[in-house]
Amino acid sequence: DVQLQESGPGLVKPSQSLSLTCSVTGYSITSGYYWNWIRQFPGNKLEWMGYISYDGSNNYNPSLKNRISITRDTSKNQFFLKLNSVTTEDTATYYCAREEGFSLAYWGQGTLVTVSA
Amino acid sequence: ENVLTQSPAIMSASPGEKVTMTCRASSSVSSSYLHWYQQKSGASPKLWIYSTSNLASGVPARFSGSGSGTSYSLTISSVEAEDAATYYCQQYSGYPLITFGAGTKLELK
Repeated sequence: DVQLQESGPGLVKPSQSLSLTCSVTGYSITSGYYWNWIRQFPGNKLEWMGYISYDGSNNYNPSLKNRISITRDTSKNQFFLKLNSVTTEDTATYYCAREEGFSLAYWGQGTLVTVSA
Repeated sequence: ENVLTQSPAIMSASPGEKVTMTCRASSSVSSSYLHWYQQKSGASPKLWIYSTSNLASGVPARFSGSGSGTSYSLTISSVEAEDAATYYCQQYSGYPLITFGAGTKLELK
């Protein structure tokens, strides 16, 4: 069965970049589907951030378009999130997820990132 | 942006009661693109109902979903203690591609 797991720093300083990794097991990220990042803010609002597809194309939330980049390392079956110029408002739990049939069928366990000096 | 409005924000039910929560979209959504997730405290969201009315694997048959256009609902025919959670609707279309509702928190009495 496919499994996803997020990893990365739990604390980032304001104005710096947030970088997270999603490691995927049980399915090759180049075989199909869309590989997403979603975040959940304190207070529980969910925000879709963007995806990288099986063929390497991207689609981003326009609210983040100038700050976000999602890339991948196919040799390691991982994909990555980079969010630039973070502020305290980027404090959230970050999830990676696989989209299929227009829904998010598989999720990682999430990783809390706090933006603070 | 297609804004999803869920109501009520919080609801309380007794075991055995029938409950219905709604999700209204600011623009029409294809029924294939409207989904529900269950999230319990400290856990990731789980896909619960996909494409309006299809139960995800392992979801009890007391759950059902319906709707079309801009109005969708999730119903539990007879609530059980394990159903206490927050339920989110999600749509797939437009720009941004994916949006979520704010959630309905179901509490058990």
